Amino acid sequence: GEDVEQSLFLSVREGDSSVINCTYTDSSSTYLYWYKQEPGAGLQLLTYIFSNMDMKQDQRLTVLLNKKDKHLSLRIADTQTGDSAIYFCAESINSGYSTLTFGKGTMLLVSP
Amino acid sequence: GAVVSQHPSRVICKSGTSVKIECRSLDFQATTMFWYRQFPKQSLMLMATSNEGSKATYEQGVEKDKFLINHASLTLSTLTVTSAHPEDSSFYICSSPGTASYGYTFGSGTRLTVV
Repeated sequence: GEDVEQSLFLSVREGDSSVINCTYTDSSSTYLYWYKQEPGAGLQLLTYIFSNMDMKQDQRLTVLLNKKDKHLSLRIADTQTGDSAIYFCAESINSGYSTLTFGKGTMLLVSP
Repeated sequence: GAVVSQHPSRVICKSGTSVKIECRSLDFQATTMFWYRQFPKQSLMLMATSNEGSKATYEQGVEKDKFLINHASLTLSTLTVTSAHPEDSSFYICSSPGTASYGYTFGSGTRLTVV
């Protein structure tokens, strides 16, 4: 079955880079997403990558995809205290009407 | 962009009562709405998929008589937790594919506490 794994916790200092890793098992995954969840709030889509891409950069966010190893990472440059949140990796086999499979989330704690 | 408005954001109810959670698509027609549940320190778990004008599809292990889902219009989907028990306390989030060719739009979530 489908499975998405993430490390549970990451602590960094303000100004450093953060790298959150994710592995997935479903080779038919077409879309891979990173969501951010602040305490008590819903999920916010940060970025996504198609399975035929290796890398995508969007301002401070860089997503790397190693399809062979089924490994996805999210790098946040110049991490700020406002980046403290839980980050979910998710995958789906198409863009619209299939459900997402989520990892358990990585809690990022940014200290001043 | 597509916005899903979810209400209430927080509710405390007594055991045995029912609670209705609403998700409204504000600027698009949501033909499909996914309902998720999140336990503390765990990931989101899909409960059911609702489609406008038809019966919802429930995931294995989710009691359809317990979690009533109604999707009577293209802009409104509701989840009613019937005869709530403390173990129903959780964070419930709805999500719709929206109008983008990628990604999903999530509601802000409802934290339900049953006492």
